[in-house]
Amino acid sequence: AQSVTQLDSHVSVSEGTPVLLRCNYSSSYSPSLFWYVQHPNKGLQLLLKYTSAATLVKGINGFEAEFKKSETSFHLTKPSAHMSDAAEYFCVVSEWNTGFQKLVFGTGTRLLVSP
Amino acid sequence: NAGVTQTPKFQVLKTGQSMTLQCAQDMNHEYMSWYRQDPGMGLRLIHYSVGAGITDQGEVPNGYNVSRSTTEDFPLRLLSAAPSQTSVYFCAAGQGTTPAFGSGTRLTVV
Repeated sequence: AQSVTQLDSHVSVSEGTPVLLRCNYSSSYSPSLFWYVQHPNKGLQLLLKYTSAATLVKGINGFEAEFKKSETSFHLTKPSAHMSDAAEYFCVVSEWNTGFQKLVFGTGTRLLVSP
Repeated sequence: NAGVTQTPKFQVLKTGQSMTLQCAQDMNHEYMSWYRQDPGMGLRLIHYSVGAGITDQGEVPNGYNVSRSTTEDFPLRLLSAAPSQTSVYFCAAGQGTTPAFGSGTRLTVV
C-alpha cells in the first residue's frame, strides 16, 4: 500500500520569506502525486500534480514541487510567502485498487504566515 | 459550471438520527467518492463508486451507506448517527490527474 508522510504539522514563516513544506511518499511503482490546499472553512483546491512527466512541477499561486525518486520526496516550495498563503496543505499519493484510483492523504501541514 | 456540489454545508444531528448528505457533479465523471476529514488525520476514504450501480467500501465504511443510481448523484447516508461521525465530509468526482472536490459538509452529532 502507498503512504504519505508530511514531516511537519505546522510551519511558520514571515511574509516575503521562502516556504518549504516537506512530503515523503512510499510507493511500489511510479506514483501520481498531488498537493492540495485548504483555506479555513473552505474546500480542497488542487495546487499542482506530478504524473511522471517533468520532475519539477509548477502550480498555481507561485508554488512548485520537485519529484525526487531517489529520496522518495515531493516537497512543496514557494520563493516568497504571502499572507494569503496561510492555509492547510495536503500531500497526496494515488493508489490503484480494483480499478479505482484511491487518493491517500497525508495528515496535513498548517502554514502560518506572519507580517 | 458548478463542478461538485455538496449540500448541506452544515448540519447538527442528535445521536440516533438519520440523514443523507447530497453530492452532485456536472462533469460526467464515472468515478465519485466520499471522504471524511478529522483533525490530524488527513482525509480518509469512506465509499466510492466507479459508475452508476457500482459502489464499494473504502477505508472507513462502517456506519455509512451509499448508492449510485445516476452518474450525477452520489448520496451518503447515515442510518443512525453517532458522535464519532462528527467530521467534515468531502465528496470528490473524477480520478486520474484531476479529481475535483466539493466544498464539504460539516456535520456535528450531539
